[in-house]
Amino acid sequence: DAGVTQSPTHLIKTRGQHVTLRCSPISGHKSVSWYQQVLGQGPQFIFQYYEKEERGRGNFPDRFSARQFPNYSSELNVNALLLGDSALYLCASSLGTSGAQETQYFGPGTRLLVL
Amino acid sequence: GQNIDQPTEMTATEGAIVQINCTYQTSGFNGLFWYQQHAGEAPTFLSYNVLDGLEEKGRFSSFLSRSKGYSYLLLKELQMKDSASYLCAVEGNAGKSTFGDGTTLTVKP
Repeated sequence: DAGVTQSPTHLIKTRGQHVTLRCSPISGHKSVSWYQQVLGQGPQFIFQYYEKEERGRGNFPDRFSARQFPNYSSELNVNALLLGDSALYLCASSLGTSGAQETQYFGPGTRLLVL
Repeated sequence: GQNIDQPTEMTATEGAIVQINCTYQTSGFNGLFWYQQHAGEAPTFLSYNVLDGLEEKGRFSSFLSRSKGYSYLLLKELQMKDSASYLCAVEGNAGKSTFGDGTTLTVKP
C-alpha cells in the first residue's frame, strides 16, 4: 500500500508569491493534518481536517489556509509568502481523530524556500 | 498553552540502554506519542500511551504518568541506526497535536 504522498518535493518561491502544497493520505484514512517544521525544531501544527471539515487550527496567520476534498486529499495554501515561511511542510494522515486512531503517518514533506 | 520539554541532545554507546524524558503541560490530553525522525526524513511512529504505565514494543518502551505530566522513551540494545531525533507529541483538544523540539540521539560504537 502507498503511504502518504506529497507534491511537490521541493519548491522555490519569492516573497509575496502564493504557494499550493498537495497531500494524498493513506487509503482509508479520513484525517489529514499539516505541520511546518523549521530546522532544529519539532513540527508545528497548522491544521487538521477530518471528513472535509476543519477540526483544528494552530497559531498561524490567515495567510495559511487549507481544504480537504471528497477523496480525503488535501491542499495547503500560503499567500503573501514571507522569508520566514521557508520550512519543511509535512502532511500526516490518520484513521480518525481520537485515541490510537490519531496515530499519524507522515509524508516525505515539501521543502519550501522563499527568497 | 501547550509546552513540551525534552533534552536537546543525548549520546549513548552501541548495545547500551538510553532513556529519553519528556515533560508536558497542555490544555488538554488525549494521548502521548513518540516519533523517530532521521535527518532529512519525515517522522515515523514509535509508540502511543493514553493510560499510565509502560508500553513495550520490541527494543522500544514508552512510559506515561498523567498526574506528573511525564513520559519517557526507553531504547534497549542500541544500534547505530538508532541515531536520530526522537519527538514527543501530545494530542490535545480540538485535534491539536503539540510536538516537542526533539532529542537528538547519537549512538557511538
